[in-house]
Amino acid sequence: GAVVSQHPSWVICKSGTSVKIECRSLDFQATTMFWYRQFPKQSLMLMATSNEGSKATYEQGVEKDKFLINHASLTLSTLTVTSAHPEDSSFYICSALDTGQFSYNEQFFGPGTRLTVL
Amino acid sequence: SQQGEEDPQALSIQEGENATMNCSYKTSINNLQWYRQNSGRGLVHLILIRSNEREKHSGRLRVTLDTSKKSSSLLITASRAADTASYFCATRLTGANSKLTFGKGITLSVRP
Repeated sequence: GAVVSQHPSWVICKSGTSVKIECRSLDFQATTMFWYRQFPKQSLMLMATSNEGSKATYEQGVEKDKFLINHASLTLSTLTVTSAHPEDSSFYICSALDTGQFSYNEQFFGPGTRLTVL
Repeated sequence: SQQGEEDPQALSIQEGENATMNCSYKTSINNLQWYRQNSGRGLVHLILIRSNEREKHSGRLRVTLDTSKKSSSLLITASRAADTASYFCATRLTGANSKLTFGKGITLSVRP
């Protein structure tokens, strides 16, 4: 299947700082990417849908000014957690939708980024 | 609320036994997918079954879908210790640009 990478795989930061997480589709172009958050022993919760060249669509309860999403190219979406606080500590997973000619609109997931805010 | 609900929440079996996990959902779907997640790691896509399909196989995995009951099952045959992980079902609803919604997950432990 297609490959989606995330960088960094883990990050520790101080409270009040901002952290940027990158999500790349390595062997296909993705006009749509998704950002999920997963707390320990819980399921994945969709935070936002990122569309190349347009504004992201945020799920209810997700602060768009806190979680900035940029999808500037067909292979890269970034999530910036601004003014991070300890409660933002979580596992962030991105996913890219392959809508290519030979795909079945499959959604491929990155390996996740563990964010710890001290 | 989440679309998919798996049961049981936790399952512990002996290596070599079969593991059956169930997922129920509430509204009409385009497809249903099963994923595996090892502790602290990303998701691994296992299998996708479309709404017009009833059963699919992939290696030791067998997935069934009953749209009349709005339920799916994942069967892992001849389980191995390496199958220990969390398993999630995820549903994609009908309609353009529909999101993938995950259930709460099942924790499977396979004892060697």
